[in-house]
This record gives sequence, structure tokens and C-alpha cells, in this order.
Amino acid sequence: EVQLVESGGGLVQPGRSLRLSCAVSGLTFDDYAMHWVRQAPGKGLEWVSGISWNRGSIGYADSVKGRFIISRDNARNSLYLQMNSLRAEDTALYYCAKDRATGIRGGLDYWGQGTLVTVSS
Amino acid sequence: DIQMTQSPSSLSASVGDRVTITCRASQSISNYLNWYQQKPGKAPNLLIYAASSLQSGVPSRFSGSGSGTDFTLTISSLHPEDFATYYCQQSYRFLTFGGGTKVEIK
Repeated sequence: EVQLVESGGGLVQPGRSLRLSCAVSGLTFDDYAMHWVRQAPGKGLEWVSGISWNRGSIGYADSVKGRFIISRDNARNSLYLQMNSLRAEDTALYYCAKDRATGIRGGLDYWGQGTLVTVSS
Repeated sequence: DIQMTQSPSSLSASVGDRVTITCRASQSISNYLNWYQQKPGKAPNLLIYAASSLQSGVPSRFSGSGSGTDFTLTISSLHPEDFATYYCQQSYRFLTFGGGTKVEIK
């Protein structure tokens, strides 16, 4: 059974940092690209960042470019999101999701249940 | 950046109705278009990938069509469990989601 389990969310003050993790099991992790997608309360889905299987292709939404860093450890079957200079508008449920493809090109066929990040003073 | 525009933003329909949702890209994206269903409190579920390919386990009443800039998701006969929010998403250049279409019970 494929499982994606996010962790690391919580309440953080504006301007501070937070690191999210996603532990993946039940598949060959390094065969697929991976993504972070967020959803603000009551709002739609927003792609945050994605990374190809070999880290050769990495992309960010304009809203987080220069502040967030995506990474992966294929030996640990884990995906990460380092979030710096957090703003109130970063408040959201953050999902980890698996791409159907090795590159950032397919649909997202497996998702975690999300970890909530709240940015507030 | 590629923008994705979905319409309508919401619709009311009855069980058994045929429902069509459209998605337009701000530039040609070939067939790099995916559709998702999301129910309240749950993660999204991939329905259609590459514009018209049915994801494994998804009922055949769901279908997708289109290429270039204009795409359609069709539910041939609405079931009670299909009341949800639907999102399109392009994967031609990184990823962008549409704004969503909420399908409600009439």
C-alpha cells in the first residue's frame, strides 16, 4: 500500500521558518517526481513546488520563489520543504503528492493527508 | 506562467444528470491536462490524466477530452458520491490548478 505521511506543520510567527517532511512508503520512491500542494482554508488548490526523480528539474510557484526550498532524500524515501520568511498568506494545509512520471509532467496520483501550517503572531 | 480558467465555478445538478465542466489554458498545453475530484476534508483524487486517460479505479462515467487550450470533464450520469469539487491542472510547464468547480445537489 502506498502511503505518504506529512509532518512538521504547526503555528509559526511571521518571518520565521518551518521545515515540512513527507515520508513515502509502498513504492520505489526514486522512480517518481514529487510535489508540494497547498490549500488555504476554504480555498482552492495551489501548487507550491515540485522536484524530479533525480533533482534535475525543480520548480516553484511565484508566490514562494526565493523563500521555499524543496529537496528529497531518495535513500530515506523522503521529501522536504524548507519554508523561510513565512507570511500570513502561507497559512494552509500542505499536501505531499506523487507524480505519475519521473519528471514534473504527470498527474498527481497519490496524496498524503496534509499538514497544517498556520502563520500568525 | 500558464493560467487555468475553469467554468462554471459552481453548478447544481440532480442524480442522473449529465455534467460538463470546462477548463481553458492561457496558452497551448498539448494534452498535459489532469482532472481531480476533492471531497470536504479529504485529499484530491486523480480522475483523468493526459486530458483523456482514465486513472485506474475511476468509474467509466467520468471522461475527459480536449487538447491545446480547451478541455472538458464530463460525468455521464451523476451519482450521489459525485457531489464534490473538481479541479483541472496543467502539467505542461510545472503545474497550475484551475480555480475549481463545486458540484452541488439541486
